[in-house]
Amino acid sequence: QVQLVQSGAEVKEPGASVKVSCETSGYTFTDYYIHWVRQAPGQGLEYMGRINPDSGGADFAQKFQGRVTLTRDTSISTVYMQLSRLTSDDTAVYYCARLWGWTISGVSSPAENWGRGTPVTVSS
Amino acid sequence: EIVMTQSPATLSLSPGERATLSCRASQNIATTLAWYQQKPGQPPRLLIYYASNRATGIPARFSGSGSGTDFTLTISSLEPEDFAVYYCQQRRIRPDTFGQGTKLDI
Repeated sequence: QVQLVQSGAEVKEPGASVKVSCETSGYTFTDYYIHWVRQAPGQGLEYMGRINPDSGGADFAQKFQGRVTLTRDTSISTVYMQLSRLTSDDTAVYYCARLWGWTISGVSSPAENWGRGTPVTVSS
Repeated sequence: EIVMTQSPATLSLSPGERATLSCRASQNIATTLAWYQQKPGQPPRLLIYYASNRATGIPARFSGSGSGTDFTLTISSLEPEDFAVYYCQQRRIRPDTFGQGTKLDI
């Protein structure tokens, strides 16, 4: 079955960077975008951006432009999200997800899967 | 970016009652809208996609409607496990955006 397995919890100091991994299995890695969504404690869902695992191209919500990097390793079907210049406002659970809608080639798809989330705490 | 506004912020009902949750988009998004349910400590769970299609395994008591800018999620008869937070999400225009959520309280 489809699985998205994320790396473990992180604690970082302000100004540092964090890199979270999302290992996928159970489907063709290069057929679907991988998206990143975060959720601060007690708050709602915030969309960050997505990566095309086939081309490596990525796009982001404007808020995260210049601070988030998405990369992938096709040999191990894994996507990485790196967030730099961390502040306390970045304390959140970070999710990777394969979202409903369409494949990279534009075929309609209801497929939807989420990782369990990676808690990131930013504190001095 | 498109702003998604959900109402009410909190909805207090009892098991067996009907729940109606609303979501409004700041621009026309056709039917490119989803509804999610989230419980504490869990990732969101897709309920409805393309405004009215139930996701795999979602009970028939959940239904979605609407198009353009106004959307509704209806739970016909609340079960105890339905008390959670619900989010709408648009995927029409990049970047995707979520509503702020409606908490369904017992």
